Amino acid sequence: QITLKESGPTLVKPTQTLTLTCTFSGFSLDNGGEGVGWIRQSPGKALEWLALMYWDDEKRYSPSLENRLTVTRDTSKNQVVLTLTNVDHVDTGTYFCAYRDPWQLGTLTIWGPGTMVTVSS
Amino acid sequence: EIVLAQSPGTLSLSPGESATLSCRASQSVSSSYLAWYHQKPGQAPRLLIYGASRRATGIPDRFSGSGSGTDFTLTISRLEPEDFAVYYCHQYLSSPPRHIFGQGTRLEIK
Repeated sequence: QITLKESGPTLVKPTQTLTLTCTFSGFSLDNGGEGVGWIRQSPGKALEWLALMYWDDEKRYSPSLENRLTVTRDTSKNQVVLTLTNVDHVDTGTYFCAYRDPWQLGTLTIWGPGTMVTVSS
Repeated sequence: EIVLAQSPGTLSLSPGESATLSCRASQSVSSSYLAWYHQKPGQAPRLLIYGASRRATGIPDRFSGSGSGTDFTLTISRLEPEDFAVYYCHQYLSSPPRHIFGQGTRLEIK
């Protein structure tokens, strides 16, 4: 059974760097086509895709946030880490990680419960 | 830039009725990478349909997806109380690689 869970700070000050961790189980992120994606949702708003880490260490980022985002992995801990630099109030929201399933056409099939982040001084 | 536009913004129906939700892409997209999710308050999105018409594991056959090119539809027959939620369509684009979501349709109890 595949599960994912996000963790990180609930409050971050403007201009600081936000670091979130996605800890997963049920897969090892080493099968062709697998990936872990990050998606966020501002309060009352739609979903916004941020980044995706592929099994082969390839990384993809949202074009609008590419210069502020970094995604890395720690294979030994089954974790994928998202870093967002120079945060602003507009970065407040719930951050989700999700499993990219190669056997379901690369769809983001299983999502973590999300972690709420508030950017405020 | 490709955009997904969902309609209607809000749909008010009663349990037992059928719902038709639309997702329109500003340019032709691959149906292989078109998915539908629903999201209940305080929860993560749940995958309903992938590949435009394939039901995800555990999703009842009351949910069906169709469409190609720029127009995609999610149909929910015989609405159950647990179906009332916000529905999002989602598309993976390959050039450059990225994911996009529609703005959502809120399905509410009438």
